[in-house]
Amino acid sequence: KQEVTQIPAALSVPEGENLVLNCSFTDSAIYNLQWFRQDPGKGLTSLLLIQSSQREQTSGRLNASLDKSSGRSTLYIAASQPGDSATYLCAVEDGDKLIFGTGTRLQVFP
Amino acid sequence: EADIYQTPRYLVIGTGKKITLECSQTMGHDKMYWYQQDPGMELHLIHYSYGVNSTEKGDLSSESTVSRIRTEHFPLTLESARPSHTSQYLCATRGGETQYFGPGTRLLVL
Repeated sequence: KQEVTQIPAALSVPEGENLVLNCSFTDSAIYNLQWFRQDPGKGLTSLLLIQSSQREQTSGRLNASLDKSSGRSTLYIAASQPGDSATYLCAVEDGDKLIFGTGTRLQVFP
Repeated sequence: EADIYQTPRYLVIGTGKKITLECSQTMGHDKMYWYQQDPGMELHLIHYSYGVNSTEKGDLSSESTVSRIRTEHFPLTLESARPSHTSQYLCATRGGETQYFGPGTRLLVL
């Protein structure tokens, strides 16, 4: 059974820092991996999707990498801003369903 | 970007009441999903649909039921609410390889 783990569970950093969020999964036979952002009390917003054949995807200050063989993905956030404060979730696609990690709660303070 | 609407956004209700959580989308996506998320926990898939008249149970056992009579609507019903049903319920659609989420319904059963 696929399990997804995210480390750290929470992170608090000053504005301007570059940071890395980690996601690991137990079964490397995934179709794709997505990173989402969730603001308090709201739904999820898709940030990046990495196909299983890809190694990374970039969008603005965000870069996500995927290493299927080791069962790991990282989300790199450059020059963090207070507006980046949210919970970041990774999810792997298993068949047609997403399996989520518990998320990393990020706080960026001015 | 998908437009997904969920009503109500917040609901406080007594034990034993029947409730229906509404989810509607305007993008014409065939695939729709319901997730349950307890505070600080990962999302769990409870129901999904591949199109009209198609419904399937997800990975997490749930006492709720769903229907898909029209492409746009995917309502979730609890026949008799209990305090254990207190949670956030998120509806999503799939367009291409990306899932799009609604804002969620926060349910509190007293």
